[in-house]
Amino acid sequence: SQQGEEDPQALSIQEGENATMNCSYKTSINNLQWYRQNSGRGLVHLILIRSNEREKHSGRLRVTLDTSKKSSSLLITASRAADTASYFCATDLTGGGNKLTFGTGTQLKVEL
Amino acid sequence: GAVVSQHPSRVICKSGTSVKIECRSLDFQATTMFWYRQFPKQSLMLMATSNEGSKATYEQGVEKDKFLINHASLTLSTLTVTSAHPEDSSFYICSALLPGSSDTQYFGPGTRLTVL
Repeated sequence: SQQGEEDPQALSIQEGENATMNCSYKTSINNLQWYRQNSGRGLVHLILIRSNEREKHSGRLRVTLDTSKKSSSLLITASRAADTASYFCATDLTGGGNKLTFGTGTQLKVEL
Repeated sequence: GAVVSQHPSRVICKSGTSVKIECRSLDFQATTMFWYRQFPKQSLMLMATSNEGSKATYEQGVEKDKFLINHASLTLSTLTVTSAHPEDSSFYICSALLPGSSDTQYFGPGTRLTVL
């Protein structure tokens, strides 16, 4: 079964607005990671948040983790057209040997 | 930063032939690499874990004789798709685990395989 479910599946916003993506998972994790993928390209690592952390920032990115609800969110503030991409959460499961299970992804489109 | 390359970036082959894809960690040594496949507009699915000096560990449903993985050195893992068929057409992406990096995986740019 799918470990990570993301919503929304697609998100279209105007440049300058904030974008929020959510990820839910089912089992215990070591950490949760967010990646960006431009069309037809590889993945770019954005941020890693450990199971004992609740919030993490990196530039315009803010990630939260709620292990009681088994959910995480990625907030991109002041979005730019260059942020247009697919965003995936990936969970590193407890005892999983660093294997990542990817969510379904959110396609973000930032319009000028 | 940690860089992972893949070669080739794109390959087209005839049905029944074998195709080898290379994954290299350029500026670090990786004892563990991972192979994923991604169908259009879908998420990444882990195929196997490649460990240097030992046999790869395959995920359930992935045929090990179909997808041969060799991790011959600390900077190179190869995936060979044997007797490729059109349904093997996909985007194959590798990643390498950076030691001491708090479990961060660095991904290659991917290889687009098209089997005619």
